[in-house]
Amino acid sequence: RKEVEQDPGPFNVPEGATVAFNCTYSNSASQSFFWYRQDCRKEPKLLMSVYSSGNEDGRFTAQLNRASQYISLLIRDSKLSDSATYLCVVNQAGTALIFGKGTTLSVSS
Amino acid sequence: ETGVTQTPRHLVMGMTNKKSLKCEQHLGHNAMYWYKQSAKKPLELMFVYNFKEQTENNSVPSRFSPECPNSSHLFLHLHTLQPEDSALYLCASSQEGQVNEKLFFGSGTQLSVL
Repeated sequence: RKEVEQDPGPFNVPEGATVAFNCTYSNSASQSFFWYRQDCRKEPKLLMSVYSSGNEDGRFTAQLNRASQYISLLIRDSKLSDSATYLCVVNQAGTALIFGKGTTLSVSS
Repeated sequence: ETGVTQTPRHLVMGMTNKKSLKCEQHLGHNAMYWYKQSAKKPLELMFVYNFKEQTENNSVPSRFSPECPNSSHLFLHLHTLQPEDSALYLCASSQEGQVNEKLFFGSGTQLSVL
């Protein structure tokens, strides 16, 4: 089993749609979780950290399910500018970040 | 701008060449990283430096040689590379090198090995 797995997509949605991505991780000792966003030919940038209680930032909601070892990202009211690849990132104490391959989102008008 | 600058942006080299990638961060961070991003693969951590000391070498071939002269600068020296080494090489920094910190990435160097 890969350490961090994501559905590569692409997810093609119209503007205004709600879309959700899941990511599973293999190491039950993982302690830190993030979603990064990477635009085409650009560097990754932190979108949001994922906390145990779940957290929301505007149209974006991240949740963590430790029992099932997955994290999710929900995007409401999708915008054209949300088109990007979303990287699931997981860490474990004492090791560096492990990145998933990413899920590609394409929002169309 | 993220405060992390990488040069060159693009590099084409032959297998017998020697070249270096440069990274500079203006954020006052103490940890710097090299990542490799190949097509259809996740980012792979190559090296970690914390307060100028190498703390992680992720089984990287010796044809890649990092150098960290100070907390603001990081180099990746390349020699006798293989075509499969063609990839986007990303430098990143973080405040203290802790697992829960945000990473700030540079724009990367797109490397092609002929």
